[in-house]
Amino acid sequence: EDQVTQSPEALRLQEGESSSLNCSYTVSGLRGLFWYRQDPGKGPEFLFTLYSAGEEKEKERLKATLTKKESFLHITAPKPEDSATYLCAVQPFVSGGSYIPTFGRGTSLIVHP
Amino acid sequence: DSGVTQTPKHLITATGQRVTLRCSPRSGDLSVYWYQQSLDQGLQFLIQYYNGEERAKGNILERFSAQQFPDLHSELNLSSLELGDSALYFCASSSTNSPLHFGNGTRLTVT
Repeated sequence: EDQVTQSPEALRLQEGESSSLNCSYTVSGLRGLFWYRQDPGKGPEFLFTLYSAGEEKEKERLKATLTKKESFLHITAPKPEDSATYLCAVQPFVSGGSYIPTFGRGTSLIVHP
Repeated sequence: DSGVTQTPKHLITATGQRVTLRCSPRSGDLSVYWYQQSLDQGLQFLIQYYNGEERAKGNILERFSAQQFPDLHSELNLSSLELGDSALYFCASSSTNSPLHFGNGTRLTVT
């Protein structure tokens, strides 16, 4: 069974204080790993897809990296508007093509001004 | 804006009742997914439809059912509602080799 564990559950940062969020996963065969941002009362918003170990993707202050067992979301010099819950999901290779992502419980990030 | 539309945004109903949640996918997306999100469980996959046909099932209760219509919109039907069914229900859509894009959900409160 695919499993995704995110840590920490919650993170408080001061504006400008860089940090990293962790996503550890077990999956029989990885088709893709996704990062999403979710604001309160809203649906998850897609950020990145990573496909293979060593791959990196960047968007503004966010950089996602991938190894064979975990992914990191690095947040550089965060701003209060980066406050949100960040979700990680793994999409397995499955015969028949129903690639259903399994989500972690997320890391709740609060950035104080 | 993800392009996925869910209605209604909020639903308050009593135990034992039946409700229908509606989802319009992004233009061109053939796959629709339904997820349930509660505080203690995170995002749990319920069911997937592809071009009108059921493709995959997750931890969906027998009291719940879904369908996807020829115009690709989807409905999730929840019946004999219990207090524990209170949650956020999300619809997502995707096309081949694309990530899931989510709507803003329907918040269901069962009293």
